[in-house]
Amino acid sequence: DTGVSQNPRHKITKRGQNVTFRCDPISEHNRLYWYRQTLGQGPEFLTYFQNEAQLEKSRLLSDRFSAERPKGSFSTLEIQRTEQGDSAMYLCASSFAIGGFRNTIYFGEGSWLTVV
Amino acid sequence: AQRVTQPEKLLSVFKGAPVELKCNYSYSGSPELFWYVQYSRQRLQLLLRHISRESIKGFTADLNKGETSFHLKKPFAQEEDSAMYYCALSSSGGSNYKLTFGKGTLLTVNP
Repeated sequence: DTGVSQNPRHKITKRGQNVTFRCDPISEHNRLYWYRQTLGQGPEFLTYFQNEAQLEKSRLLSDRFSAERPKGSFSTLEIQRTEQGDSAMYLCASSFAIGGFRNTIYFGEGSWLTVV
Repeated sequence: AQRVTQPEKLLSVFKGAPVELKCNYSYSGSPELFWYVQYSRQRLQLLLRHISRESIKGFTADLNKGETSFHLKKPFAQEEDSAMYYCALSSSGGSNYKLTFGKGTLLTVNP
């Protein structure tokens, strides 16, 4: 499967612990996105990268959240001092965008986080 | 601010019946609208986008700017259409980096 890959797929952690999720986008996709999805809701935009530059962050991304894409390939999303409200599915997506080309965004299977 | 509303959380139809999944949006500019689908145990995937004006798996959707709607339709539903459907709006002038999703509609097609 050469799609967007995310790991771990499931994570259970105690409140206050730090967690990190990894996303490997489709090869040569220059854009990478993070979304969050809670039960009964659609995905909500968190942040996106164009190559290694983080170009926008949603207000949903509190100071406890940090995302990186150091070499413009894979990305990590770290949540520090987790809270129960962080329990959600974290979706990564990628696309190839150049100029005004209307790119298609491809999603990964997501990483489920449960904070207990 | 942009908003996408899918008024039905659940929709159940019989095989062969027509199906329409409703989507309304709120956006002051010129939006680009999409339908995404998630089949059981699969990842979210693009079904269709309004600018393509194409039919995918028998589904069509027309953007109605007057009614700010983008309803998804299929004349004869199949059991394999059972899935979660999300309507989404891109507000980024075509570069599609930020999608605003509705809450989704779970479609069940009964035999």
